[in-house]
Amino acid sequence: NAGVTQTPKFQVLKTGQSMTLQCAQDMNHNSMYWYRQDPGMGLRLIYYSASEGTTDKGEVPNGYNVSRLNKREFSLRLESAAPSQTSVYFCASTRASGGFQETQYFGPGTRLLVL
Amino acid sequence: GENVEQHPSTLSVQEGDSAVIKCTYSDSASNYFPWYKQELGKGPQLIIDIRSNVGEKKDQRIAVTLNKTAKHFSLHITETQPEDSAVYFCAASAGGGADGLTFGKGTHLIIQP
Repeated sequence: NAGVTQTPKFQVLKTGQSMTLQCAQDMNHNSMYWYRQDPGMGLRLIYYSASEGTTDKGEVPNGYNVSRLNKREFSLRLESAAPSQTSVYFCASTRASGGFQETQYFGPGTRLLVL
Repeated sequence: GENVEQHPSTLSVQEGDSAVIKCTYSDSASNYFPWYKQELGKGPQLIIDIRSNVGEKKDQRIAVTLNKTAKHFSLHITETQPEDSAVYFCAASAGGGADGLTFGKGTHLIIQP
């Protein structure tokens, strides 16, 4: 049981390049999330998906798109990377899809540097 | 939207002493308050959580208290050990089970030997 996995672990991009961050969970969780973590800022929600086929914006969605490919996988795409998107990106998942909040489990993160 | 303030940003305590980290939230509808521990180079890991219908919760050396009137919740770690050194985040959620969390900015806890 690997939990939440993310690829790649580290990526360097040039301004304007695109890339997709991959996330998968093997816990049969319903909801998945993308957060970014910047120094001194805590974690901020980018997008989330309460179930396969649905996605919703979080606090900082501009410049990103997401796809809930199936129940296991939730990808984050940067169409035209900017230096302001340099950050550590965390994927998370939880069993909850409604009702009460349950534990969110986090992946190990993807460190992205945009030059 | 929700806003979570966390203090202090850095906390240094002697091994064996207690540590207290405090958070306030703005949305009175918030009903779920988890605490996460993050070690260097890793993702956050839940250490304890509390719901709005409970005032206090304990798990061995860790406890969380919630004051809904003051919109304030705190993490208490007793008998601190070197492995407690990490960054701790509080968070809050006012939504349903699928909604995301709003995090505080974190506290770097340093345990001095």
